[in-house]
Amino acid sequence: GQQLNQSPQSMFIQEGEDVSMNCTSSSIFNTWLWYKQDPGEGPVLLIALYKAGELTSNGRLTAQFGITRKDSFLNISASIPSDVGIYFCAGETDGKGGSEKLVFGKGTKLTVNP
Amino acid sequence: EPEVTQTPSHQVTQMGQEVILRCVPISNHLYFYWYRQILGQKVEFLVSFYNNEISEKSEIFDDQFSVERPDGSNFTLKIRSTKLEDSAMYFCASNQGGYTFGSGTRLTVV
Repeated sequence: GQQLNQSPQSMFIQEGEDVSMNCTSSSIFNTWLWYKQDPGEGPVLLIALYKAGELTSNGRLTAQFGITRKDSFLNISASIPSDVGIYFCAGETDGKGGSEKLVFGKGTKLTVNP
Repeated sequence: EPEVTQTPSHQVTQMGQEVILRCVPISNHLYFYWYRQILGQKVEFLVSFYNNEISEKSEIFDDQFSVERPDGSNFTLKIRSTKLEDSAMYFCASNQGGYTFGSGTRLTVV
């Protein structure tokens, strides 16, 4: 089945540092999404990417959809303690019956030291 | 902002018991989903639901699982006879031009 390879698995950084994480896949996705998950909560959408090559920002977050539609990166600039959490990439595919399903990466666990 | 609401937030059940996890999707959304996340692992697709029927289900969604939208508001996931390996976070989501996830139900099977 379709799989997303997300790296790194975990990161330990100092407050104020920039962070970069990425996802690759052997499959093409229509849409690429980046989510953040806090403990005991559901995934919360950070950035959605719809076009190959698209570069999108959301505050201190920047993400790009690879030109081949098989990869994406997420950058966080000037990290702060509340950036702590698990970041997931997800690819959206055409599901049966018109319902679009998501395939998730394994996540990057971010720890920010004050 | 509209939310997807899930209840209960935590359920503990004996192995072999039936459980029903409940969700109230966003009212004008048409596509509904259940996803599962075993502790420390990635989120996995279970089933999608549209127009009062299952659109697609994964290999995980075997005969022990069923979904229902009994009253036009609630969307439920039933596990008929729980196993230890069903312990996980279960997330409901609805989609209408963009996914919204609920906060999840943590199911613990003992």
